[in-house]
Amino acid sequence: SQQGEEDPQALSIQEGENATMNCSYKTSINNLQWYRQNSGRGLVHLILIRSNEREKHSGRLRVTLDTSKKSSSLLITASRAADTASYFCALISSGSARQLTFGSGTQLTVLP
Amino acid sequence: NAGVMQNPRHLVRRRGQEARLRCSPVKGHSHVYWYRQLPEEGLKFMVYLQKENIIDESGMPKERFSAEFPKEGPSILRIQQVVRGDSAAYFCASSPIGEETQYFGPGTRLLVL
Repeated sequence: SQQGEEDPQALSIQEGENATMNCSYKTSINNLQWYRQNSGRGLVHLILIRSNEREKHSGRLRVTLDTSKKSSSLLITASRAADTASYFCALISSGSARQLTFGSGTQLTVLP
Repeated sequence: NAGVMQNPRHLVRRRGQEARLRCSPVKGHSHVYWYRQLPEEGLKFMVYLQKENIIDESGMPKERFSAEFPKEGPSILRIQQVVRGDSAAYFCASSPIGEETQYFGPGTRLLVL
């Protein structure tokens, strides 16, 4: 399966702590993206990292990509209750026609 | 700036009826994608369209499902003779030429009774 697999499936932390979510995949990729979904809502794009990049930052988000291990991680620093959501990695495989292949997601709960 | 718009947001159909889901991409975006999300799962790709062309429909069920993106008007995902297993959230996304980030709409939640 080309699908990304997130780990852990669920994560519960206290406000102010850091949250780390991991994504593993099996194919060669053009890029890997992280999305966030609040319960019952649409997806919001967080960050895109290309296959030739190793790390990217956006505000409190830090994404790493290790193509040799076929894995990526999303770190949210100084978490807030409003960060509670499901987080999905999605990848565009090399040679695919731009379709995103999503993992099953990590449900993050940040307790106030 | 209006994002991707989908309507209806909620749709209830009885088995055997037709469901028509509409998606208006971000203004200026020429690429449209449809995804389906079952409860507690990630999104599954269905179809990728450009204006008047289906580029990739590898994720579409072979029967009852069709999609179009006409020269004028929204993209339509059509499900004929719906069954209970079609109950899901259907998301549309769009992107401009040359950009790989996809911008998602709020989804249409289809319930088949």
